[in-house]
Amino acid sequence: EDQVTQSPEALRLQEGESSSLNCSYTVSGLRGLFWYRQDPGKGPEFLFTLYSAGEEKEKERLKATLTKKESFLHITAPKPEDSATYLCAVQAGAQKLVFGQGTRLTINP
Amino acid sequence: SQTIHQWPATLVQPVGSPLSLECTVEGTSNPNLYWYRQAAGRGLQLLFYSVGIGQISSEVPQNLSASRPQDRQFILSSKKLLLSDSGFYLCAWRHRLAGEYNEQFFGPGTRLTVL
Repeated sequence: EDQVTQSPEALRLQEGESSSLNCSYTVSGLRGLFWYRQDPGKGPEFLFTLYSAGEEKEKERLKATLTKKESFLHITAPKPEDSATYLCAVQAGAQKLVFGQGTRLTINP
Repeated sequence: SQTIHQWPATLVQPVGSPLSLECTVEGTSNPNLYWYRQAAGRGLQLLFYSVGIGQISSEVPQNLSASRPQDRQFILSSKKLLLSDSGFYLCAWRHRLAGEYNEQFFGPGTRLTVL
C-alpha cells in the first residue's frame, strides 16, 4: 500500500535556525513527489516537484531533495513568515496523490 | 495565469440537509479536476477526480457525489449530510496536456460544519 510519513509532526525554531523536515514514502514505482505549504484555513500552495533520486529543487530559503526512500525539505535561516504546515505527497497511480499528515513549522522571532 | 475558485468559503448545515459545493477554474482548458477532504488532524483524502466533462471517478465510497457539467466546473454534492461529512473540502486542478504526473494546484477551500 502506498504510504507517506512525515516527521516531525511539529517543529519550533528560532528565526535564523536552519533545519530539515523529513518525508518517508513507500510507493510501487515513484512517479513524482510533491511538496506543498499550507497556511491555516487556506488551500495548499505548490512548492516543488521531484521525480528521481538525486534531484534537488530550490526556492528562496527552501531546498527539497529526494532519495529512493525519502525526501527532505531543508529550511535555511528561516523567518517568521515561513511558519506554516508543510505537506508531502507522492503520485500513486495515474490520478491519485497520497499525502502525509504534514509538519507544522513555527518560526519564533 | 490560471486561478481556481471555490464557494462558499464556509458553510454550516444541519444533519440530513443537502449539499452543493462548486469549483471553477479560469485560464486553462481541459484540466483534470479533483475533490479532496481534509479532516481535522488528518491528511488530505482524494474523493473524486474527473478527466473530462461528465467523466467522474470515485476513490472513496460514501454519501457524496460529484459532477462536471462544464469543462472548468466541478461540483460536489450530497442528498443527506452526515456528521462525519464535516471537514475542509479542497478542489484542485492539473494541466492534462503536461502529462499525468505533474503537480496539482489547489483552491482556497470550503469549511463545512455539519451540526
